[in-house]
Amino acid sequence: AQSVTQLDSQVPVFEEAPVELRCNYSSSVSVYLFWYVQYPNQGLQLLLKYLSGSTLVKGINGFEAEFNKSQTSFHLRKPSVHISDTAEYFCAVNDKGGSEKLVFGKGTKLTVNP
Amino acid sequence: ETGVTQTPRHLVMGMTNKKSLKCEQHLGHNAMYWYKQSAKKPLELMFVYSLEERVENNSVPSRFSPECPNSSHLFLHLHTLQPEDSALYLCASSQDTSGGTDTQYFGPGTRLTVL
Repeated sequence: AQSVTQLDSQVPVFEEAPVELRCNYSSSVSVYLFWYVQYPNQGLQLLLKYLSGSTLVKGINGFEAEFNKSQTSFHLRKPSVHISDTAEYFCAVNDKGGSEKLVFGKGTKLTVNP
Repeated sequence: ETGVTQTPRHLVMGMTNKKSLKCEQHLGHNAMYWYKQSAKKPLELMFVYSLEERVENNSVPSRFSPECPNSSHLFLHLHTLQPEDSALYLCASSQDTSGGTDTQYFGPGTRLTVL
């Protein structure tokens, strides 16, 4: 069975600082990996996804993530955050060849302070 | 309307009430989902529909009853709920359910409080 661990439940940073949100997964098969963002009072929105090919994936709003198969990680990064990046970020995994059953982590609350 | 819409946005109900949550997608997708989002817990997949046929039922109590009359609409009928059912209920849609690569598009959710 798949599982996702987001190691930090809350990450406070100052505006224009870099940030990394950590995600590790566990699966017995090859996987697809996703990062979703949830702004206050909204549903989830896809930031980026890794399906195959280059392990460095670029997404919307300047975010990127790197798939590391040996460490079973898919950490999310942004070199310089804005106040508007304050939101909750969810990592999710789906095994290749499976259904659309995404398994989500518990989320990381990113707070960007001025 | 664009994307995925959900009504109502907020709902307060007693344990003996019957209510329904509505979801509508305007994206031409074939698959729709119900998720439960509780504080400090991962999103829990409740139901998956593909072309109006239920393909996943994640051991959800029978007090939650889904209905998918067509590929654009999804309902969640609620009856005799418990206080622990209070949560944000999210609806999502995707192009299909096969392969695992499709992006899911989420609605804003219905915040449910059971008294």
